[in-house]
Amino acid sequence: EAGVAQSPRYKIIEKRQSVAFWCNPISGHATLYWYQQILGQGPKLLIQFQNNGVVDDSQLPKDRFSAERLKGVDSTLKIQPAKLEDSAVYLCASSLSRGSTEAFFGQGTRLTVV
Amino acid sequence: KQEVTQIPAALSVPEGENLVLNCSFTDSAIYNLQWFRQDPGKGLTSLLLIQSSQREQTSGRLNASLDKSSGRSTLYIAASQPGDSATYLCAVLRGNNRLAFGKGNQVVVIP
Repeated sequence: EAGVAQSPRYKIIEKRQSVAFWCNPISGHATLYWYQQILGQGPKLLIQFQNNGVVDDSQLPKDRFSAERLKGVDSTLKIQPAKLEDSAVYLCASSLSRGSTEAFFGQGTRLTVV
Repeated sequence: KQEVTQIPAALSVPEGENLVLNCSFTDSAIYNLQWFRQDPGKGLTSLLLIQSSQREQTSGRLNASLDKSSGRSTLYIAASQPGDSATYLCAVLRGNNRLAFGKGNQVVVIP
């Protein structure tokens, strides 16, 4: 079974530039999560999708971050414009459905804003 | 709001000693609890999943217990090895599939 795929693995951009991350969840997984993990901290949920609908985006800085999950499969997370404090690892995860199912994570995208 | 706390934040143990990592959560209405391992610069690897109806799960040298009523889980790693050096994260699954994490236990096993 293929895992959660993320790209790119690394990205370095200047502040005020824009950047996009891509995630392909495990086939058949209805729930998709985007997390932000700042160095030394636990992952913080940015947005959660159930199929192509948003379940929770309460911690997404909507003035600069956006995310979509067209057709309920792949997802993209965009930052525009980026700030220095956005430097972090962005993790994508998926799980089968609602209920007590296991979540699987991708390798993450390490973003450095200079 | 669900708060997940992991203590200690960091620890070092000599090779061969048993590791005990603690996770506590404030809201006992959880569906399951998952323990993950994270190597530097990498994503999260799932180690053990304990359903809310279970008391423990075991996989090789790893054993995780869950006490929902007291809001606690403990991860035991027997006979630690240098390869066990990593950060260990616990996460609880709540309603609407919300997955909340602690900050992690950073472990160093000294050869």
